[in-house]
Amino acid sequence: AQTVTQSQPEMSVQEAETVTLSCTYDTSESDYYLFWYKQPPSRQMILVIRQEAYKQQNATENRFSVNFQKAAKSFSLKISDSQLGDAAMYFCACLLYNQGGKLIFGQGTELSVKP
Amino acid sequence: EPEVTQTPSHQVTQMGQEVILRCVPISNHLYFYWYRQILGQKVEFLVSFYNNEISEKSEIFDDQFSVERPDGSNFTLKIRSTKLEDSAMYFCASSETAYEQYFGPGTRLTVT
Repeated sequence: AQTVTQSQPEMSVQEAETVTLSCTYDTSESDYYLFWYKQPPSRQMILVIRQEAYKQQNATENRFSVNFQKAAKSFSLKISDSQLGDAAMYFCACLLYNQGGKLIFGQGTELSVKP
Repeated sequence: EPEVTQTPSHQVTQMGQEVILRCVPISNHLYFYWYRQILGQKVEFLVSFYNNEISEKSEIFDDQFSVERPDGSNFTLKIRSTKLEDSAMYFCASSETAYEQYFGPGTRLTVT
């Protein structure tokens, strides 16, 4: 079975500080991609960052970066210089290319940012 | 910036009724998906669609569900006879390459 696990239901960070959200996954597929999505109260799903599993280099996107440890099947998201607008639910997801491209989501981590 | 749109934003229906949720994917995208999110739970895959046919579906996507691309722009999800447990947020997503999906704003379905 393909699973994605986020073990932190809630996290909190002080504005301008750095926070790391954890994610582990399990898949037998060889062709997969990993994502972090942000879901604000509006419930829109916003793509934050993508990591190709075949790439060793960690993806970065402005203040967002990942730590991808393929052997450990770990994919954490680091948010630097946290802003109030970063407060949201964050979902880790694994895309299985050979299964119709379906995304398997984790349970989510609710991030609050304190001013 | 192009985006996925969904209508209606909120649909209320009675148990046993048929509903059709509509999506307009990003215009040059070829892969289409439906997901649902029951309140307070994680997002679940329902179905993927490519080249006018279903490429993958989940156990949730039973005979009560169907998808269609009736014209060059719309992508619909039909639930034939709604149940209370179908109440959820339904997200449409589209992708140009199947490696990255962009989500619509969702349709909140309430079954009473």
